[in-house]
Amino acid sequence: DQQVKQNSPSLSVQEGRISILNCDYTNSMFDYFLWYKKYPAEGPTFLISISSIKDKNEDGRFTVFLNKSAKHLSLHIVPSQPGDSAVYFCAATTTSGTYKYIFGTGTRLKVLA
Amino acid sequence: NAGVMQNPRHLVRRRGQEARLRCSPMKGHSHVYWYRQLPEEGLKFMVYLQKENIIDESGMPKERFSAEFPKEGPSILRIQQVVRGDSAAYFCASSSSGSVYEQYFGPGTRLTVT
Repeated sequence: DQQVKQNSPSLSVQEGRISILNCDYTNSMFDYFLWYKKYPAEGPTFLISISSIKDKNEDGRFTVFLNKSAKHLSLHIVPSQPGDSAVYFCAATTTSGTYKYIFGTGTRLKVLA
Repeated sequence: NAGVMQNPRHLVRRRGQEARLRCSPMKGHSHVYWYRQLPEEGLKFMVYLQKENIIDESGMPKERFSAEFPKEGPSILRIQQVVRGDSAAYFCASSSSGSVYEQYFGPGTRLTVT
């Protein structure tokens, strides 16, 4: 049972344009969400997070939007840069539980110069 | 300020051997998580430990896998009698008690079973 889904396995974007990565979840108990970026042969690197009490969180070029009614979150990267090319994972957890993350399967972003 | 350390980075074992993966959390972090990533898949939670305690092992296979986080020293993920299906990348993450929702990941150990 895949509780966190990233339905687009890959995405290509021109440098300077906006990248939008999407994530859907099914478990209404999730109340904290995170995005991680991963390069090959490295561990995931934390990017940005959002609590379910908010619908938007921004950090520099990265913005995460949360739509609780649709159980959907998205990561916007503006402007996209070639160094952003990586696999992006969304993760969800429950703050009343043991904080374990449930990860999506990832979206491979390629930013074209 | 060292991050999460994992060793070895690469480990090759023959079927039936034991694999020991080590994880040293970030300084000041007392929460350790282990995740496994199979080829072309996302990371799957295995186990969550605090010092000398297993808090949540709901993602651990019932047999051959064990984990510990002793009072002194690194956390150890142990896989006995490895099989080819155990070939994967194993990631350790740590968090602090003051920021338990934000986990910092190590570089991973890539286990290959031949």
